[in-house]
Amino acid sequence: KAGVTQTPRYLIKTRGQQVTLSCSPISGHRSVSWYQQTPGQGLQFLFEYFSETQRNKGNFPGRFSGRQFSNSRSEMNVSTLELGDSALYLCASSFGGGQPQHFGDGTRLSIL
Amino acid sequence: GIQVEQSPPDLILQEGANSTLRCNFSDSVNNLQWFHQNPWGQLINLFYIPSGTKQNGRLSATTVATERYSLLYISSSQTTDSGVYFCAVESQVQGDMRFGAGTRLTVKP
Repeated sequence: KAGVTQTPRYLIKTRGQQVTLSCSPISGHRSVSWYQQTPGQGLQFLFEYFSETQRNKGNFPGRFSGRQFSNSRSEMNVSTLELGDSALYLCASSFGGGQPQHFGDGTRLSIL
Repeated sequence: GIQVEQSPPDLILQEGANSTLRCNFSDSVNNLQWFHQNPWGQLINLFYIPSGTKQNGRLSATTVATERYSLLYISSSQTTDSGVYFCAVESQVQGDMRFGAGTRLTVKP
């Protein structure tokens, strides 16, 4: 079956702009989680959505937001981009709490 | 929140050698997974192992939940095993996945 699909794979933006990343989970999975990976901070949890509701949120500023649609697809938005937002953004899907997570290939975001 | 510590941070092996990677966590967990991140950034599921022992080819993993640690064994290592290995846990209390800092493995031919 198809895996987790993230689009776009690469993105270049400038400071102050905003960006929207997309994640399509594995069919049947209702939970979608987002992570940020940087060389300095490692892999950090952003937020989790389950059945269109945000269930958990990491320690990130309000510029980072997300949503989930009725078909379980999720989007993540970052507003007023800063240089420090340059990172690999990873999305993972699962059936729900306690179940194994499966990751997409990520979106590599570069801020100039 | 839950703390996840991986050791060693770096490991260099000759092809054919065996290795053990360790993951310690500070609280009870619903989920524990081992991942391999390849040079292209892809996170590959290795094991879903909140407790017990599993084997998959040259790789095996053991989690002792009562003592809050997990071990990943790699036998007869190959150059394609190179990359970063992450342990991730889901706390029973908070419910979000926390990653360790990873073990960077380099296998030399």
